[in-house]
Amino acid sequence: EDQVTQSPEALRLQEGESSSLNCSYTVSGLRGLFWYRQDPGKGPEFLFTLYSAGEEKEKERLKATLTKKESFLHITAPKPEDSATYLCAVQRANFNKFYFGSGTKLNVKP
Amino acid sequence: EPEVTQTPSHQVTQMGQEVILRCVPISNHLYFYWYRQILGQKVEFLVSFYNNEISEKSEIFDDQFSVERPDGSNFTLKIRSTKLEDSAMYFCASSASVGANVLTFGAGSRLTVL
Repeated sequence: EDQVTQSPEALRLQEGESSSLNCSYTVSGLRGLFWYRQDPGKGPEFLFTLYSAGEEKEKERLKATLTKKESFLHITAPKPEDSATYLCAVQRANFNKFYFGSGTKLNVKP
Repeated sequence: EPEVTQTPSHQVTQMGQEVILRCVPISNHLYFYWYRQILGQKVEFLVSFYNNEISEKSEIFDDQFSVERPDGSNFTLKIRSTKLEDSAMYFCASSASVGANVLTFGAGSRLTVL
């Protein structure tokens, strides 16, 4: 069965304190792995797509990496405005739907 | 920047009532989706829609649910007889093509069933 597990569930950081979020997945034939950001009461907002092991993508303070079993979202020198829930989702080959993880709720204190 | 628009933002209904949630996807997108998120839980896939028909649906999407694209711009989700457990945030999403293509989500419609 396809599964996506994110850890930790919640993460508190001081401003400037770098860390990583983990997304472990089990899927038959990965088409793509997606990272989204979700603010309270809002829809998920796209961050990155990764397609194959070894791929990396960067955007401002965020960097996403992918292996055959997991993906990491590295946050370098976070700011309070990075506080949100970060969602990982996988899409299986030949299917449209995305499987989402439960998310990591990040809180960055000034 | 193009966006997916959903209405209403919040709807309160009595158990057993019919509810229609509306979405205006991004204009040049061809694939449309409904997801839901029960408070504190994962975002769950309900249904995908392409070329005026359902292309994929989950076990959650039973006979009480239906989707329609009544005109060239709107995409609707109907729940015929709501249950307490239907209370959730419902997200509409669209993408330009199938494949590992980015889903753009709307802000969501919060449904509360009493």
